[in-house]
Amino acid sequence: QVHLQESGPGLVKPSETLSLTCSVSDFSINSGYYWGWIRQPPGKGLQWIGSIYHSGTTYYNPSLKSRAAISVDMSKNQFSLKLNSVTAADTAVYFCASYGSALYGNRYFYYMDVWGKGATVTVSS
Amino acid sequence: QTVVTQEPSLSVSPGGTVTLTCGLNSGSVSTSSYPSWYQQTPGQTPRTLIYGTSTRSSGVPDRFSGSILGNKAALTITGAQADDECDYYCVLYMGSGYWVFGGGTKLTVL
Repeated sequence: QVHLQESGPGLVKPSETLSLTCSVSDFSINSGYYWGWIRQPPGKGLQWIGSIYHSGTTYYNPSLKSRAAISVDMSKNQFSLKLNSVTAADTAVYFCASYGSALYGNRYFYYMDVWGKGATVTVSS
Repeated sequence: QTVVTQEPSLSVSPGGTVTLTCGLNSGSVSTSSYPSWYQQTPGQTPRTLIYGTSTRSSGVPDRFSGSILGNKAALTITGAQADDECDYYCVLYMGSGYWVFGGGTKLTVL
């Protein structure tokens, strides 16, 4: 089974850029599927941030107002999240996830399947 | 703005049956929303329970089942156990690669 591990600074200053990396093991990103980021503010629920297909096509939560960028580095078998102009509201545990796929009728669909353990990011001066 | 609705909290007696639902503030949930359900103990990583409305993830006991009930997705726990007490989240696919999580249901087993 694929394993995921988030890494990055635990403290980011307001207005700066949050950068996180998800290292993938026991599976090659180049083999396919979607990869994504989800966050959870303290004491709150999960929020989908966005996802990337192995080819580089990206999808984002409109509520993040174009602040988010997800990219893939196949040479390192990693994918990354950058979130710019952060505020205290971006303080959260950030999870990376791999998507599984299944057949429904005659079409494939995708779902968030395996999750990393999460990385806590605090936005504070 | 699309809002996915879940009961904030529910309770069930040990051995009892409880149904959690996942709806939309406008419109109906269908199998085309490919609803998934996740279980999360506070401070832990979410665990995938159900995907594609009703398919159990590997290792998930069959007392967890997913379905569409009326205009909502549903997660039913039959024979609730003490360690089922945690938070449950659904997520719906909105199309165009866009997903939305519900606010979560805190389940108490008492």
